[in-house]
Amino acid sequence: EDQVTQSPEALRLQEGESSSLNCSYTVSGLRGLFWYRQDPGKGPEFLFTLYSAGEEKEKERLKATLTKKESFLHITAPKPEDSATYLCAGAEGGGNKLTFGTGTQLKVEL
Amino acid sequence: DAGVIQSPRHEVTEMGQEVTLRCKPISGHNSLFWYRQTMMRGLELLIYFNNNVPIDDSGMPEDRFSAKMPNASFSTLKIQPSEPRDSAVYFCASSLSRGGTDTQYFGPGTRLTVL
Repeated sequence: EDQVTQSPEALRLQEGESSSLNCSYTVSGLRGLFWYRQDPGKGPEFLFTLYSAGEEKEKERLKATLTKKESFLHITAPKPEDSATYLCAGAEGGGNKLTFGTGTQLKVEL
Repeated sequence: DAGVIQSPRHEVTEMGQEVTLRCKPISGHNSLFWYRQTMMRGLELLIYFNNNVPIDDSGMPEDRFSAKMPNASFSTLKIQPSEPRDSAVYFCASSLSRGGTDTQYFGPGTRLTVL
């Protein structure tokens, strides 16, 4: 059974305090690893897709990396507006079915 | 550009009533997905369509749930009869499927409360 596990469940950071979120997966024939951001009361917002081990993608203060078993979302010098729940999802063999983790709730304080 | 549109945004109903959730995908997208999100189970895929045809409904919890996509710009998810355990946020997402791994774009969701 495909599984995606995220840690930690919740993370509290001071503004400027860099950290990483983890996403480990067991998805047969992984076709892609997705990161989404979700704000309260809203739908998930697409951030990145990673396709192969060693790949990295960046967007502002966020950088996503992928190994054969896990992905990391690195947050450099976070700001309060980065506070949100970050979801990762694995796309299985067919490419269209996403298995989501339960997310990491990030709060960045002044 | 308009994103995925869902209605209603909030629905409160009583147990046993029929509930219909609606979704308009992004224009030009040919795949549509219905998800349910709860605190306990997170985001779960219920069903997805490709070119208006249901491809995988293995996530639909039981026969009380049904989904249709009569055309490329409209889909419904119906629950009949509704039960309190159906209370959740239901999301619709769409993508442009080119046969590979496609990015899904989510709507704002419908928060359903069944009393």
